[in-house]
Amino acid sequence: AQSVTQLGSHVSVSEGALVLLRCNYSSSVPPYLFWYVQYPNQGLQLLLKYTSAATLVKGINGFEAEFKKSETSFHLTKPSAHMSDAAEYFCAVSGGTGANNLFFGTGTRLTVIP
Amino acid sequence: EPEVTQTPSHQVTQMGQEVILRCVPISNHLYFYWYRQILGQKVEFLVSFYNNEISEKSEIFDDQFSVERPDGSNFTLKIRSTKLEDSAMYFCASSLQGTQYEQYFGPGTRLTVT
Repeated sequence: AQSVTQLGSHVSVSEGALVLLRCNYSSSVPPYLFWYVQYPNQGLQLLLKYTSAATLVKGINGFEAEFKKSETSFHLTKPSAHMSDAAEYFCAVSGGTGANNLFFGTGTRLTVIP
Repeated sequence: EPEVTQTPSHQVTQMGQEVILRCVPISNHLYFYWYRQILGQKVEFLVSFYNNEISEKSEIFDDQFSVERPDGSNFTLKIRSTKLEDSAMYFCASSLQGTQYEQYFGPGTRLTVT
């Protein structure tokens, strides 16, 4: 069965500091992994995705994530936080071979302190 | 840039009433999805739709739910007899193909059942 766990429902960082949002997955098949961002009163926007190509994936807005099979992790990072990064971030794993639904984590709310 | 649209943005209904949530997926996409997010909880998969039929559904998607693509552009979610626990944000999504392909999400419809 597919699932993701996001450690830390709230993360606060200072502007300019490193952003690290954690995601661990469980999958019975080689996973496809995604990070989505949700700004207030908006839908989910894809930040980046891992689909079995390069393990280090670069996304929009300076975010990147590294797929580590040995650790079953797909943590999201950004070297320098910006005020506009304040949002809710969701990690998701696809349903597996032949399945196209996404399993989401509980989300991490990122606060950026000026 | 193409986007998924949803109407209405907010729907208030009384318990036991039928509601229809509407979505216009991106025009060349082939897979369509509904997800819901109860306040403070994770985003949950409801159903996926491909080639004019349901391809997958979750345990949440019971007999009171139905989906339809009534014409070439709309994709609807019907809840026949709403319950208080159906109050949630409902997201529509679409993707070009399945599995590892990015799902584009709409802004959501907030359903409030009183």
